[in-house]
Amino acid sequence: EAGVAQSPRYKIIEKRQSVAFWCNPISGHATLYWYQQILGQGPKLLIQFQNNGVVDDSQLPKDRFSAERLKGVDSTLKIQPAKLEDSAVYLCASSLSRLRDSNRLNTEAFFGQGTRLTVV
Amino acid sequence: GEDVEQSLFLSVREGDSSVINCTYTDSSSTYLYWYKQEPGAGLQLLTYIFSNMDMKQDQRLTVLLNKKDKHLSLRIADTQTGDSAIYFCAERRHAGNMLTFGGGTRLMVKP
Repeated sequence: EAGVAQSPRYKIIEKRQSVAFWCNPISGHATLYWYQQILGQGPKLLIQFQNNGVVDDSQLPKDRFSAERLKGVDSTLKIQPAKLEDSAVYLCASSLSRLRDSNRLNTEAFFGQGTRLTVV
Repeated sequence: GEDVEQSLFLSVREGDSSVINCTYTDSSSTYLYWYKQEPGAGLQLLTYIFSNMDMKQDQRLTVLLNKKDKHLSLRIADTQTGDSAIYFCAERRHAGNMLTFGGGTRLMVKP
């Protein structure tokens, strides 16, 4: 079974530039997450989609970050303009569950390898 | 500060047992997870425990949950050099499906 695919693996940009990351979740997974992992810290949720709708984006810096999942499958995360503190690994994850299945094992999240962003 | 807390570093000798600890704050957590992250790789789910359990064993891994103290631990028996990685505990809260992660514990296994 194919896992969560992310691209690119690495990206170096200058501050104030724009960047976009792409994620293809596991086939059939309704829930998709974007996490930001700053070096030395645990992942922090940026946004959660259920199919093509946003469930939680409370920690997304909306002045510069945006994300979409138009057809309920692939997703893109964009940063515009980037700041030095945006340097991190951006992890995409997906899970099978529907929103109300919070007590079932099919909420297990599978992670991609991440995109390492360096802002200089 | 973090809602889920872990010690930063643990060093053990090959063949010894490792115990990684985690504390969390939300009593409504439904599932608690342990993830492993190797250098340059994504997060790999190792094991999980449902909040109404107090222990779960899976081969070399034993998870203990003290719900009263909101304390979770992961014990790795017969630790091998391949177990060297960063281990994250995470909680899934009743409200919503999001995972909240701790800061990670770096496990170093010396030969």
